[in-house]
Amino acid sequence: DADVTQTPRNRITKTGKRIMLECSQTKGHDRMYWYRQDPGLGLRLIYYSFDVKDINKGEISDGYSVSRQAQAKFSLSLESAIPNQTALYFCATSSRGATDTQYFGPGTRLTVL
Amino acid sequence: SQKIEQNSEALNIQEGKTATLTCNYTNYSPAYLQWYRQDPGRGPVFLLLIRENEKEKRKERLKVTFDTTLKQSLFHITASQPADSATYLCALGIGGYQKVTFGIGTKLQVIP
Repeated sequence: DADVTQTPRNRITKTGKRIMLECSQTKGHDRMYWYRQDPGLGLRLIYYSFDVKDINKGEISDGYSVSRQAQAKFSLSLESAIPNQTALYFCATSSRGATDTQYFGPGTRLTVL
Repeated sequence: SQKIEQNSEALNIQEGKTATLTCNYTNYSPAYLQWYRQDPGRGPVFLLLIRENEKEKRKERLKVTFDTTLKQSLFHITASQPADSATYLCALGIGGYQKVTFGIGTKLQVIP
C-alpha cells in the first residue's frame, strides 16, 4: 500500500462550492504539507504542519484552510472554489529530522468550472 | 530576496550522453540540497541529498555536486536513457529543522 494517499484523485466542481481534499500517511511522520502545482510555476506551498497542534501558512494560503485531525491525517479545504484554484494538489510528509526529505502523495487533480 | 533558479527551458539530450542540470541560488546559506524526480501527473520522488561540507555525491548513474562559493549544484545523469526523461527539482534546506524550499524544476527529455 502507498505510504501517502490522497483522496479524491480527480475532482471537477463548480465555482462557489466547498471542496475538501484529504491526505493520509502511514509513514509515522510528524510533518505534513500541502502544495499546488501549476504549469510553469512549480510547487507552491499552501500550508504545512510540523505536528498536530502546529499549523503554518505557506506562500499561497489565501482561499484555503487546513485541518490536522491526527498525526496521520491532514486535510485541505477550499471554502468557496474559484476557477484559478484549478491545479494539481500534492500532500507530502517528512520526519522531524535534520534534513527535511519529503515524501509525496500521488496528487489530486482539481478542476473548478 | 531568496531565490532558487533552475533552467525552466527543457533540456534535450541524446541517449547515452551525460545530462547535466543546474540549480543556482541567491540569498541562501543552505545546509544541504536535495534533488527530486517528478514524472508527469505524479508526485516528486526524492533522489539524492548533499550537505554543505560535501563536494560530490554519487548514486548509481547519478552524481550531484555542491559548490557553496558559486552557490550552485549540478546534477548529472551518465549514460542517459529514455526512461530518465522527467522533470528534476532541486530543494534547499537551511537546517535547524526547517522545511526545504523547492525550485521550479527542469524538464529532461532523453532522445533515443
